[in-house]
Amino acid sequence: EVNLLESGGGLVQPGGSLRLSCVASGFTFRNYAMSWVRQAPGKGLEWVSTMTGTSGSTYYADSAKGRFSISRDNFKNTLFLQMDSLRAEDTAVYYCAKGLEGYGSGGIIFGHWGHGTRLTVSA
Amino acid sequence: EIVMTQSPDTLSVSPGEGATLSCRASQSVSTSLAWYQVKPGQAPRLLIYAASTRALGVPARISASGSGTDFTLTISSLQSEDFALYYCQQYSDWPPLTFGGGTKVEIK
Repeated sequence: EVNLLESGGGLVQPGGSLRLSCVASGFTFRNYAMSWVRQAPGKGLEWVSTMTGTSGSTYYADSAKGRFSISRDNFKNTLFLQMDSLRAEDTAVYYCAKGLEGYGSGGIIFGHWGHGTRLTVSA
Repeated sequence: EIVMTQSPDTLSVSPGEGATLSCRASQSVSTSLAWYQVKPGQAPRLLIYAASTRALGVPARISASGSGTDFTLTISSLQSEDFALYYCQQYSDWPPLTFGGGTKVEIK
């Protein structure tokens, strides 16, 4: 059974930094693209970033470029999101999501999701 | 960037009735479209991908269709567990991957 467990959320002041983690189990982690998707209070889903499995290519939403960095440890089956220069508008629940398939467009269909970790950016 | 627009914002339906949700893309996404269900406090769930393929475990009362720019998610005979938020997502042209604004299906 696929399981994704996010952690690392919390309360951060504007301009601060935080690193989110997502521990994965139940599948061959290194073979799948992994993504972060967020949902701000009262808002819809917003894609943040994706990292492919084997090649490690990274992709970012404009809102994350230059401030966020996605990475993964394929030995520890863990996905990370380093977030710097945080703003109030980054306040959201951050979900870790696994690609439906290990190749092609299947990597950016979010087949499994975690329950999310909440980030609040406030003074 | 492909903009996804969902309608209506809210759909009030009685249990046992059907519901039709719409999703429109600002340009053609072919059939590179997915639908997700989101409930408060729960992990989002993939329902549909490739515009009309049900994900594993999704009941047959949930179906979807469309291609190009116009897509539909249909839930026949709504059950209590179907009252939720629904989002469409295109994966045809990215980055960015984009979601619609969501449709809330609520109990009438």
